[in-house]
Amino acid sequence: SQQGEEDPQALSIQEGENATMNCSYKTSINNLQWYRQNSGRGLVHLILIRSNEREKHSGRLRVTLDTSKKSSSLLITASRAADTASYFCATDDTGGFKTIFGAGTRLFVKA
Amino acid sequence: EAQVTQNPRYLITVTGKKLTVTCSQNMNHEYMSWYRQDPGLGLRQIYYSMNVEVTDKGDVPEGYKVSRKEKRNFPLILESPSPNQTSLYFCASSQGATEQPQHFGDGTRLSIL
Repeated sequence: SQQGEEDPQALSIQEGENATMNCSYKTSINNLQWYRQNSGRGLVHLILIRSNEREKHSGRLRVTLDTSKKSSSLLITASRAADTASYFCATDDTGGFKTIFGAGTRLFVKA
Repeated sequence: EAQVTQNPRYLITVTGKKLTVTCSQNMNHEYMSWYRQDPGLGLRQIYYSMNVEVTDKGDVPEGYKVSRKEKRNFPLILESPSPNQTSLYFCASSQGATEQPQHFGDGTRLSIL
């Protein structure tokens, strides 16, 4: 089955810097979502972008979607120590009922 | 408060002893799902349910059963647990299928010896 794959696997930055994470997937999708997970906790939804959208903003988050390259990126601007977490992209399968998560990017923001 | 509640949060058990992990949501969501999370593999979907009495397999359904007799509850059943089912499990719900954000429970950490 298709899978979103995040890149990089881990990222360490200083507070105030921007963090960019990428997600690639294999088959056509209806939408793509980004989630955050604090250590060992449940995932929290960040943003959803539909296949007919190219860019979406929510606060300090900016998500882009390039369906021709089957890729998405999540940009966190002016990062804070509280942004330290794992970030996952999730896509639907071609039928639209299954959810496929990537392996995630671990972000560490140093104060 | 809108929430997805899983129980138990932690469980250590032995091979072959049937167990059930409960999941309940109070948001009247139609879509519910179970995932397992293993290091380096992200979350993998075990089963999902589109509505009451409608369930289907995700990517890793072997060794698991589910039922959806009521809209709010979606228990995960391990009839004969084995050590390779040691994992962190999450239940999630959403109003629609994959076109809506999913709300996750806090997780259940299962250790099967």
